[in-house]
Amino acid sequence: DIQMTQSPSSLSASVGDRVTITCRASQSISNYLNWYQQKPGKAPKLLIYAASSLQSGVPSRFSGSGSGTDFTLTISSLQPEDFATYYCQQSYSMPRTFGQGTKVEIK
Amino acid sequence: EVQLVESGGGLVQPGGSLRLSCAASGFTFSSYEMNWVRQAPGKGLEWVSYISSSGGNIYYADSVKGRFTISRDNAKNSLYLQMNSLRAEDTAVYYCTRAGSGYDWWGQGTLVTVSS
Repeated sequence: DIQMTQSPSSLSASVGDRVTITCRASQSISNYLNWYQQKPGKAPKLLIYAASSLQSGVPSRFSGSGSGTDFTLTISSLQPEDFATYYCQQSYSMPRTFGQGTKVEIK
Repeated sequence: EVQLVESGGGLVQPGGSLRLSCAASGFTFSSYEMNWVRQAPGKGLEWVSYISSSGGNIYYADSVKGRFTISRDNAKNSLYLQMNSLRAEDTAVYYCTRAGSGYDWWGQGTLVTVSS
């Protein structure tokens, strides 16, 4: 199975900050990497697919990059509604696996 | 508008069974692969099972293999998860998800609690 490791597990940031979350796969997954945002009590929401493609309706302050084993989700200017938990997921092979999540909290 | 609505969750004793359903609308259900994803209380996301658009290809997480069965009825626009031999560690919110480019639509989830 492919293991997905996110870092950090949590971070504190202020509105307007640039935030970067990393995700590392235990083997190469090409660009088969998705990012999700989840707010408390809500279902996850797809932000980025295929490592760098922005899902329709997602603000352009979100961006993704990387290929192979190392990936990054960047929020260029953190907004109040962005405080949430973020998960990466590989869609390269079965079983699909998620990272453990990164909680973005208000500083 | 795309909608996925799960039902069938509830409280069940260890060793018991439960059948989850997911009613899909707003898209051509028969054209999409579908998945179940779960989330234990206070924990992260765990992929549970996958079914291809025709139902011909199916995969399970090792944690549920042999106990859970995924199925679909394209005529009824519905996805199912039959869960047998339930354990305390199966307690979670279960989401059905559509697999477009990524899991692009999610239901609201249904809570399954396994406890005596």
